[in-house]
Amino acid sequence: GAVVSQHPSRVICKSGTSVKIECRSLDFQATTMFWYRQFPKQSLMLMATSNEGSKATYEQGVEKDKFLINHASLTLSTLTVTSAHPEDSSFYICSAIRQGTSYEQYFGPGTRLTVT
Amino acid sequence: AQSVTQLGSHVSVSEGALVLLRCNYSSSVPPYLFWYVQYPNQGLQLLLKYTSAATLVKGINGFEAEFKKSETSFHLTKPSAHMSDAAEYFCAVKDSSYKLIFGSGTRLLVRP
Repeated sequence: GAVVSQHPSRVICKSGTSVKIECRSLDFQATTMFWYRQFPKQSLMLMATSNEGSKATYEQGVEKDKFLINHASLTLSTLTVTSAHPEDSSFYICSAIRQGTSYEQYFGPGTRLTVT
Repeated sequence: AQSVTQLGSHVSVSEGALVLLRCNYSSSVPPYLFWYVQYPNQGLQLLLKYTSAATLVKGINGFEAEFKKSETSFHLTKPSAHMSDAAEYFCAVKDSSYKLIFGSGTRLLVRP
């Protein structure tokens, strides 16, 4: 299989604090990982593409200083929401492409972030 | 540029009835197309994918989809709906790089 995990599954933080979300490929190496955001009853919005060992590429309109992405190894990418505000509350989903393949993305179970 | 349109934000069927979820795509290159299912508060699970091989693609849980180039469609079907099929379904197309472009989603409701 190709399993992607996310931690935590749910997190509640206070406004102004930062929160880190981890995305791990458990049984494969991932050269590329993606971070998506999903609002209630809406589709997935791609936030950024993360490549191991290089800077993430952010989609237009996504604040790179607010959503810090680090892809430090072939199995781990992290998303840090800095100085979180209530409008950052959302469902964040990551996905990964297996090293050696070119297109199939394996999705994590998502992280529900609530900022109070 | 690639894009995906899912017709119908909500589809309601009776248990045992045919499921038909519509997806039309726009692509300047031969497309790679995908259907994903999402259950509440969960990530996406791949149902099936089209990658320029057979035009009729069979997936998991009894779902299948037919690629019709002339109609630029990739509709998802299942002969007999089950209560457990109730979920959100997303059609997606891979763009010229490796990004996925998602449709707006269709919520499938299954009536007992």
